[in-house]
Amino acid sequence: AQSVAQPEDQVNVAEGNPLTVKCTYSVSGNPYLFWYVQYPNRGLQFLLKYITGDNLVKGSYGFEAEFNKSQTSFHLKKPSALVSDSALYFCAVRGGYGGATNKLIFGTGTLLAVQP
Amino acid sequence: NAGVTQTPKFQVLKTGQSMTLQCAQDMNHEYMSWYRQDPGMGLRLIHYSVGAGITDQGEVPNGYNVSRSTTEDFPLRLLSAAPSQTSVYFCASIDRGAGDTGELFFGEGSRLTVL
Repeated sequence: AQSVAQPEDQVNVAEGNPLTVKCTYSVSGNPYLFWYVQYPNRGLQFLLKYITGDNLVKGSYGFEAEFNKSQTSFHLKKPSALVSDSALYFCAVRGGYGGATNKLIFGTGTLLAVQP
Repeated sequence: NAGVTQTPKFQVLKTGQSMTLQCAQDMNHEYMSWYRQDPGMGLRLIHYSVGAGITDQGEVPNGYNVSRSTTEDFPLRLLSAAPSQTSVYFCASIDRGAGDTGELFFGEGSRLTVL
């Protein structure tokens, strides 16, 4: 069965510092990996995805993520954090054979808090 | 385009009552889904649909019904509400033309409390 883990409930970082939000996954076959962000009282918004190709994926708002097949990880990164980046971040995976992105499996979410 | 629209945004029910959460999208997306979000559990798939007239169960379908009579609408029905169904519900859609690698478009959510 496919699964995704976000080991940190919360990540604290000072504004201007680099940030990393961790995600590991377990799927059979090649994984399709996604990051979504949720601002307070809003729905989730797509940030970026890895399907195939270059292991470093760039997305919205200056975020990027690195796919590491040997470590089964897909960590979200940003070189310089902003206070406005404070939000709840979800990693999601679809993998295996068949199925649709409807059946994305989401992690439990990591709350990013950026201090001024 | 309004995107994905959910109503109501807030609802309080008593145990045993029934209700329908509405979801509509104006992007002509064939795939639609319902998720529930609970603290510490992320998002869990309740039901999904790959097109009008076709629905299937997700991870946590018990206590919920869905139907898909049109491409635009995908209502979620709670047949007999229970306190365990207190949650925030999200409807999402995806462009079938994007294939299985496309991203989900989410509504703003419906916060349901069952007393």
